[in-house]
Amino acid sequence: EIVVTQSPATLSVSPGERATLACRTSQSVGSDLAWYQQKPGQAPRLLIYQTSTRATDIPARFSGSGSGTDFTLTISSLQSEDFAVYYCHQYNNWRTFGQGTKVEIK
Amino acid sequence: EVQLVESGGGLVKPGGSLRVSCAASGFSFIDAHMSWIRQAPGKGLEWVARFKSNNEGGVIDYAASVKGRFTISRDDSKNMLSLQMNSLQTEDTAVYYCHLQMPDSWGQGTQVTVSS
Repeated sequence: EIVVTQSPATLSVSPGERATLACRTSQSVGSDLAWYQQKPGQAPRLLIYQTSTRATDIPARFSGSGSGTDFTLTISSLQSEDFAVYYCHQYNNWRTFGQGTKVEIK
Repeated sequence: EVQLVESGGGLVKPGGSLRVSCAASGFSFIDAHMSWIRQAPGKGLEWVARFKSNNEGGVIDYAASVKGRFTISRDDSKNMLSLQMNSLQTEDTAVYYCHLQMPDSWGQGTQVTVSS
């Protein structure tokens, strides 16, 4: 099973600042990497798939990059609605998720 | 509009069984790649089982943690996805989400609690 590791576990950011979330997979997944956002009491919402393609209606402040085993989600200017937990997800071999990064207000 | 509505969750004793279901609408269910994903309390997400569409060969896969205990099924005539869970363990306690691959869509989840 491909293990997905996210860092940091918690990221404290002020509104308007940039947030950078990291994701590493235990073996290459090519570009088969997605990012989800989850708020308390809600189902996850797809933000990014194929490493860098924004899902429908996702604002341009969200961007993804990387390939192979190292990936990044960047939120260019955090809005109040962006404070949430973010999960990295590989779908190259079966499907596994990282443990999540909580983005909280600094 | 895609709608996925789960039902059937509840409290069950260790070793017991439970069946959760997902009523789907708003898309062509027969062509859909469907899955169950779970989230234990305060924890991350785990892909439990998937049922590929007929176009993809109708392949079924399970996570190692549930293989041999859980069975995913679909009724294309009723637009229904189900998950039969046997030999339940406390570690199976979670919110179970129904998932459609394209467009990526989730139900609201149904709570399954395994406790004596």
